Amino acid sequence: EAQVTQNPRYLITVTGKKLTVTCSQNMNHEYMSWYRQDPGLGLRQIYYSMNVEVTDKGDVPEGYKVSRKEKRNFPLILESPSPNQTSLYFCASSSGTGLNQPQHFGDGTRLSIL
Amino acid sequence: AQKITQTQPGMFVQEKEAVTLDCTYDTSDQSYGLFWYKQPSSGEMIFLIYQGSYDEQNATEGRYSLNFQKARKSANLVISASQLGDSAMYFCAMREGSGDDKIIFGKGTRLHILP
Repeated sequence: EAQVTQNPRYLITVTGKKLTVTCSQNMNHEYMSWYRQDPGLGLRQIYYSMNVEVTDKGDVPEGYKVSRKEKRNFPLILESPSPNQTSLYFCASSSGTGLNQPQHFGDGTRLSIL
Repeated sequence: AQKITQTQPGMFVQEKEAVTLDCTYDTSDQSYGLFWYKQPSSGEMIFLIYQGSYDEQNATEGRYSLNFQKARKSANLVISASQLGDSAMYFCAMREGSGDDKIIFGKGTRLHILP
């Protein structure tokens, strides 16, 4: 089954404790992306990657890091999480070859930073 | 800078009526793609429909159609014969084709279908 898998689905942690949210896709997609969803703000792109070793900032990259060492994986790293990073996070992927390729989303990770 | 505006934070519609969800966009690119996604209360994001900037006809997918008015930079989603299961959050999104591969989303419209 074609899917984007995020882990964990839920995480409660404390300020300053480094965490990683993993994302993996099995569709051989070139394009991968991370979004955060906050009430009243919709989805905002954090980082995206067009291919292995290629990453670019989205609209809200501050406080986040990503890496793309393999095509299927695109982890999101919060080196020193703060309460304003409490949010619902989505990983998504799509074929990078055309504008008409929709994003395939993971189920989301609800992150709470205390 | 690219921007998506959804002016309706919430809408209430009677079951079986048609509903139009508004989306306007701002871009200086000639080549771009527009998407609509549905997010039910369960939280997953579901792709509904796509419209390319060079497409001459409005996109349709079952009960969903996209009213694309390029000169006005609008891409409204039309749902015909609404059903209770259409109650959800709806997002409009855009990807430009100029080399900046960002994808931006609007703030969404929460649609409530009344029985």
